[in-house]
Amino acid sequence: SQQGEEDPQALSIQEGENATMNCSYKTSINNLQWYRQNSGRGLVHLILIRSNEREKHSGRLRVTLDTSKKSSSLLITASRAADTASYFCATDARGAQKLVFGQGTRLTINP
Amino acid sequence: ETGVTQSPTHLIKTRGQQVTLRCSSQSGHNTVSWYQQALGQGPQFIFQYYREEENGRGNFPPRFSGLQFPNYSSELNVNALELDDSALYLCASSFSRGAGELFFGEGSRLTVL
Repeated sequence: SQQGEEDPQALSIQEGENATMNCSYKTSINNLQWYRQNSGRGLVHLILIRSNEREKHSGRLRVTLDTSKKSSSLLITASRAADTASYFCATDARGAQKLVFGQGTRLTINP
Repeated sequence: ETGVTQSPTHLIKTRGQQVTLRCSSQSGHNTVSWYQQALGQGPQFIFQYYREEENGRGNFPPRFSGLQFPNYSSELNVNALELDDSALYLCASSFSRGAGELFFGEGSRLTVL
């Protein structure tokens, strides 16, 4: 079963604009991660944020985590055509072996 | 590229057949996890292998089985294939057991007719 729910399911913006995707989850977590997937290929890890962190940056990516609301957001600034992909959040519970993925947000960057 | 390789990339089987998918993990990684991704969905955890032993299993029936070899490569076997087994099967390796950062292969796309 999916734990995370991404919002929106699909997002289309112009190149250069910022893209924001949201993820909500149901149970307590240890970490939350974001992955990118191009056209049904393998997933690429973007960033990991721990449950005791509130914000993390990596290049043009900014991730926030609000454990009281059980939600996270991924912001991609100054979007590029190459950012077109599906983005998934994934959570894990303490001591768990598995990541639980949401259904993803399909991001399209229009040139 | 992650250094995780999967084979075959695509295959077509008929209902009732058996399939074996293979995965070579990234150098230095001792843990392999397998995920199933149906079209339009997020990946779902099948199981994890750590140092040749199963280290956790998701909600999949026993006809899904696996192996990990001494070089940490892995196989996923699915018996008695059903139409709903059609999916992208993803292998991911990691430095240690648990659910940290995963390094995914490009996947094996299985179609069951």
